[in-house]
Amino acid sequence: RKEVEQDPGPFNVPEGATVAFNCTYSNSASQSFFWYRQDCRKEPKLLMSVYSSGNEDGRFTAQLNRASQYISLLIRDSKLSDSATYLCVVNKPGPYGNKLVFGAGTILRVKS
Amino acid sequence: DVKVTQSSRYLVKRTGEKVFLECVQDMDHENMFWYRQDPGLGLRLIYFSYDVKMKEKGDIPEGYSVSREKKERFSLILESASTNQTSMYLCASRHNRRGNTEAFFGQGTRLTVV
Repeated sequence: RKEVEQDPGPFNVPEGATVAFNCTYSNSASQSFFWYRQDCRKEPKLLMSVYSSGNEDGRFTAQLNRASQYISLLIRDSKLSDSATYLCVVNKPGPYGNKLVFGAGTILRVKS
Repeated sequence: DVKVTQSSRYLVKRTGEKVFLECVQDMDHENMFWYRQDPGLGLRLIYFSYDVKMKEKGDIPEGYSVSREKKERFSLILESASTNQTSMYLCASRHNRRGNTEAFFGQGTRLTVV
């Protein structure tokens, strides 16, 4: 079983739609979680961190369910510019430092 | 402006060659990482360095080694390149602190082994 699992998509949605991505992780010791965005042929960049109480940044809302080891990302009012791959990332604690474990990514295509 | 710089965007090497991929960060980060990214597999950790001269194997270290002689520089070495090492290689760095510290990535090196 992969440490971080995501639905690969692609999710094809019209502009203005609301879309949700899910992610599950296997390491119950993980304490920090993130969503990264990766545009085609570019490096990943941090979209938002995910906090226990859930957090919102404009049109983006992230939720964490520790009991179910589940993370979600909700995008409201989708824009063409939201088209990208969204990577679920989990901080894996270790004796010498924390490693970032990435899901394979979910592809989002927003169409006009 | 924070920066992680990888020495090459594109490389073509022959099977059996020794290949060096260089990564430099200017943020005084303790942690540095090398990942490879392949379609459908996402980013997989090759090696991780948590301090100068300190390293730890990731999930797929076979066929690779690393060097971290200075804090700002983390090198990935392919001892004898093989065609199955054709991939996108991404370097990242971050502070070694508790909590949600952001990792910054270089622009990637697309390596083709022929």
